[in-house]
Amino acid sequence: GQQVMQIPQYQHVQEGEDFTTYCNSSTTLSNIQWYKQRPGGHPVFLIQLVKSGEVKKQKRLTFQFGEAKKNSSLHITATQTTDVGTYFCAGPTTGNQFYFGTGTSLTVIP
Amino acid sequence: NAGVMQNPRHLVRRRGQEARLRCSPMKGHSHVYWYRQLPEEGLKFMVYLQKENIIDESGMPKERFSAEFPKEGPSILRIQQVVRGDSAAYFCASSPKAPHSGANVLTFGAGSRLTVL
Repeated sequence: GQQVMQIPQYQHVQEGEDFTTYCNSSTTLSNIQWYKQRPGGHPVFLIQLVKSGEVKKQKRLTFQFGEAKKNSSLHITATQTTDVGTYFCAGPTTGNQFYFGTGTSLTVIP
Repeated sequence: NAGVMQNPRHLVRRRGQEARLRCSPMKGHSHVYWYRQLPEEGLKFMVYLQKENIIDESGMPKERFSAEFPKEGPSILRIQQVVRGDSAAYFCASSPKAPHSGANVLTFGAGSRLTVL
């Protein structure tokens, strides 16, 4: 079946360092979305990418959608303690599911 | 405009009892998804429903679990004869359109945390 893998699974960074998480799908995605889940919280939508090669920025966050629409990345510049949480990529499957990646848990050390 | 409302937020059940989790989607949203999340793990898809219809239940265990989204009222995830392994956070999400449409952003509820003693 379709799989959406994320690497790394865990990442610890010093505050101020950069952070990147990568998302890889076994099949082409019509669109990809990123969500953030704070510890003890629920997933919150960050952004949606639709076009091949698309790049979007939100302040210190940069999102990319691969040319083949099978992979994506989220890069955070100069992390802050407020960036702590788990970042999930997600996309619609060939069926009718909305499939979430395995997630990357980010810890920021002050 | 209230978001996705889930209740109860916390539920404790003894083995063998039934758990009913309710989800009211955002106003105007007719697509509902249920996910299960074990501690320190990802979001596992369970079921996708539209009003009165189960569209995809491929992530639901074959036994003891059922879901519905009636014409009136909230969506309900029902777990019969709970076991300790059912302890998890159950998240409901809603969207205005189907997964492959362009406006399929999911809005999540705060989750229902089930503990089975």
